[in-house]
Amino acid sequence: DQQVKQNSPSLSVQEGRISILNCDYTNSMFDYFLWYKKYPAEGPTFLISISSIKDKNEDGRFTVFLNKSAKHLSLHIVPSQPGDSAVYFCAASRNRDDKIIFGKGTRLHILP
Amino acid sequence: DAGVIQSPRHEVTEMGQEVTLRCKPISGHDYLFWYRQTMMRGLELLIYFNNNVPIDDSGMPEDRFSAKMPNASFSTLKIQPSEPRDSAVYFCASSKTGQGLSYEQYFGPGTRLTVT
Repeated sequence: DQQVKQNSPSLSVQEGRISILNCDYTNSMFDYFLWYKKYPAEGPTFLISISSIKDKNEDGRFTVFLNKSAKHLSLHIVPSQPGDSAVYFCAASRNRDDKIIFGKGTRLHILP
Repeated sequence: DAGVIQSPRHEVTEMGQEVTLRCKPISGHDYLFWYRQTMMRGLELLIYFNNNVPIDDSGMPEDRFSAKMPNASFSTLKIQPSEPRDSAVYFCASSKTGQGLSYEQYFGPGTRLTVT
């Protein structure tokens, strides 16, 4: 059973536009959420996180939004750049001291 | 720091053979994780250690898989005997106490395993 779901395997966005990656989760005990980015032949790298006490966290071009009632989070990238082309993993845990559960990932293509 | 080091980067083996994957975590990190990535299941946690002690191995698929951490700077994941369905990319990651287990984890480049 996938507790963290990324229903879009891939997404293509024009350079300069906004990229929106979506993630749904089923476990209401999840309290802490993360996004990781992965380039080919490399390991995932941490991108941004959000605690359930917030509904938004921003870091430069990256913003994560959390809607707890809908069990949904999204990652916005504005403006999208060619270097953003990668696989993005959504992840969640019950708290900061619990293991992370990852989604299957969404491949983002930034088009020139 | 060199980051998390994994070896080999690629492994091709025949069904039934023993496979050993190796990991050196970042110095000073006391959590070590083994993950497996497949198209079907995505990135799944197999086992993790804290201070060289296995804490949760509930993700280990079956008895053919075993992991050890004999010291703070080395861990192995062994598959014996290997099967074609074990073909995947295996990642090792490490993190540091005090920041929370699910705080930022640092991943190695992965080992791509192909079992024929």
